[in-house]
Amino acid sequence: GAVVSQHPSRVICKSGTSVKIECRSLDFQATTMFWYRQFPKQSLMLMATSNEGSKATYEQGVEKDKFLINHASLTLSTLTVTSAHPEDSSFYICSANREKLFFGSGTQLSVL
Amino acid sequence: RKEVEQDPGPFNVPEGATVAFNCTYSNSASQSFFWYRQDCRKEPKLLMSVYSSGNEDGRFTAQLNRASQYISLLIRDSKLSDSATYLCVVFPNTGNQFYFGTGTSLTVIP
Repeated sequence: GAVVSQHPSRVICKSGTSVKIECRSLDFQATTMFWYRQFPKQSLMLMATSNEGSKATYEQGVEKDKFLINHASLTLSTLTVTSAHPEDSSFYICSANREKLFFGSGTQLSVL
Repeated sequence: RKEVEQDPGPFNVPEGATVAFNCTYSNSASQSFFWYRQDCRKEPKLLMSVYSSGNEDGRFTAQLNRASQYISLLIRDSKLSDSATYLCVVFPNTGNQFYFGTGTSLTVIP
């Protein structure tokens, strides 16, 4: 069964709205979760590392005010895309480490 | 230099063929290595871990060459269902971050 759950699987929204994506670790505690973005036919790009109880660590070039990450509990990390624009349309995936890396099922975001 | 480098392909092979992918890593202290499979618009799924002694799972064989700092994945008797992108993943054992290759695209042709 799934080790990491991600919701929603698909979002279509208007430009300017904010979108929240949830990532949950099932049956284990994840002090660290990872958020990735993937454009069509491109590789996974790490956006940020989410740390429970502290600030997320963002990769170079990723706007922390644009992509808000909250890791308020040991089983839940959220990514909020604020004021989404069409260029934010992408496939967003989270993952957590449990000896190996397990991924959520991904969220396809389409901003109109 | 990238932490992990991988030939993006694409590899187009006929059914039944044997195909191999390589992946090099830059951190000689890396300890954990994995191959993941990703289908289009899906999340990556663990295919197999890579052990120092090499390991096999059915038609799939993974090997690690520490001296040359590369890992390989061999797929024998390719099936149509093997068509996917194969990602190598390296965990340096320092810090939390896993490092990904860009993925190698495989298409198995009837």
